Amino acid sequence: DQQVKQNSPSLSVQEGRISILNCDYTNSMFDYFLWYKKYPAEGPTFLISISSIKDKNEDGRFTVFLNKSAKHLSLHIVPSQPGDSAVYFCAASDGGSQGNLIFGKGTKLSVKP
Amino acid sequence: GAGVSQTPSNKVTEKGKYVELRCDPISGHTALYWYRQSLGQGPEFLIYFQGTGAADDSGLPNDRFFAVRPEGSVSTLKIQRTERGDSAVYLCASSSEGTVTGELFFGEGSRLTVL
Repeated sequence: DQQVKQNSPSLSVQEGRISILNCDYTNSMFDYFLWYKKYPAEGPTFLISISSIKDKNEDGRFTVFLNKSAKHLSLHIVPSQPGDSAVYFCAASDGGSQGNLIFGKGTKLSVKP
Repeated sequence: GAGVSQTPSNKVTEKGKYVELRCDPISGHTALYWYRQSLGQGPEFLIYFQGTGAADDSGLPNDRFFAVRPEGSVSTLKIQRTERGDSAVYLCASSSEGTVTGELFFGEGSRLTVL
């Protein structure tokens, strides 16, 4: 059973509009959440993170929202740009084992010009 | 370059053969991780090194998989008696000591195909 779920395999958005990528988790022990971005033939690259003591973290065009009661987080990208087209992975950590991140299956974002 | 380097980038082998995958982490990073990404899945944790020792090997699927990091820098992931189900992209990542946020720096991966 998956502890981190990304239920949308793909998302298509028009350039300039908002992209919203969703992630659900089941393990209430998770205390840190991250989003990674992956281009084809490259390794994942860190994008943004949020601690469980916060409900929002913003970095430029990227904002992550955390709803602990719903065990749900989302990544908002605004405005979306064609260069944002990639696979986005949600990941979670319980802090017990540094580096043992649990990843979702990813959502492929396509931003159309 | 300054990033995590993995070799080979592609490896095709036959079922039952032995395979070694190499990872050269970012200079100065004491923590090193191996993940495996199968088609349509997210990366799956295999093993984590802090320095020369394996701090957490709970993700290794069975005893055919082994990893070493003898001098605390380069690491080798070894797979014995390969099976078709081992086909995946093997990702290596590193991070600086004390990182608790889980921000890992990944290499481009080694794509293993077992025929």
